[in-house]
Amino acid sequence: DAKTTQPTSMDCAEGRAANLPCNHSTISGNEYVYWYRQIHSQGPQYIIHGLKNNETNEMASLIITEDRKSSTLILPHATLRDTAVYYCIVRVVQEYGNKLVFGAGTILRVKS
Amino acid sequence: GAVVSQHPSWVICKSGTSVKIECRSLDFQATTMFWYRQFPKQSLMLMATSNEGSKATYEQGVEKDKFLINHASLTLSTLTVTSAHPEDSSFYICSALLAGPTDTQYFGPGTRLTVL
Repeated sequence: DAKTTQPTSMDCAEGRAANLPCNHSTISGNEYVYWYRQIHSQGPQYIIHGLKNNETNEMASLIITEDRKSSTLILPHATLRDTAVYYCIVRVVQEYGNKLVFGAGTILRVKS
Repeated sequence: GAVVSQHPSWVICKSGTSVKIECRSLDFQATTMFWYRQFPKQSLMLMATSNEGSKATYEQGVEKDKFLINHASLTLSTLTVTSAHPEDSSFYICSALLAGPTDTQYFGPGTRLTVL
């Protein structure tokens, strides 16, 4: 299974961009990178995913390096409500329903 | 769209009793659902993959006779914790797979189980 490495925690000022890095150097060519976040005592929330092209949606942007060994999740204007644990996951291919293996994630603290 | 619900949101039970947790995909059909467990200050741990109409696939170390999974329809999967003990107290979270070109899992809000 392709592993991911993320910083344990990060701080960000409210209104500024939050850039969350992730290393996935063993990723295979057909494996997607997914980002989820989890606010305390809630289920994880899907943010974005990508294969090799950069992606953007209403929540965030995902920048994937050309060699696909790392990526960065960007929250363009962080708010206090973005304080959460952010998980970068490489989806594991299996026969039924490709599974997600969660690591420790990055605790993002947005401060006013 | 892609809403997943769980019921109950929390439950307290006595040791030795069984508890059933429901997971429903509200606005899409899910052939595959997943069950996770999360202990305090830890990450989510996948317990099993649930496939509609067939037996669940359990992760290594998860007792299939203790954690019974039934996926009887395309919108409902249930997890039954049998003969619960205090060490089974945890946050149980399900997800449902929205199948498509990139297969995205959407998670329920979780169920807090406390076994006395």
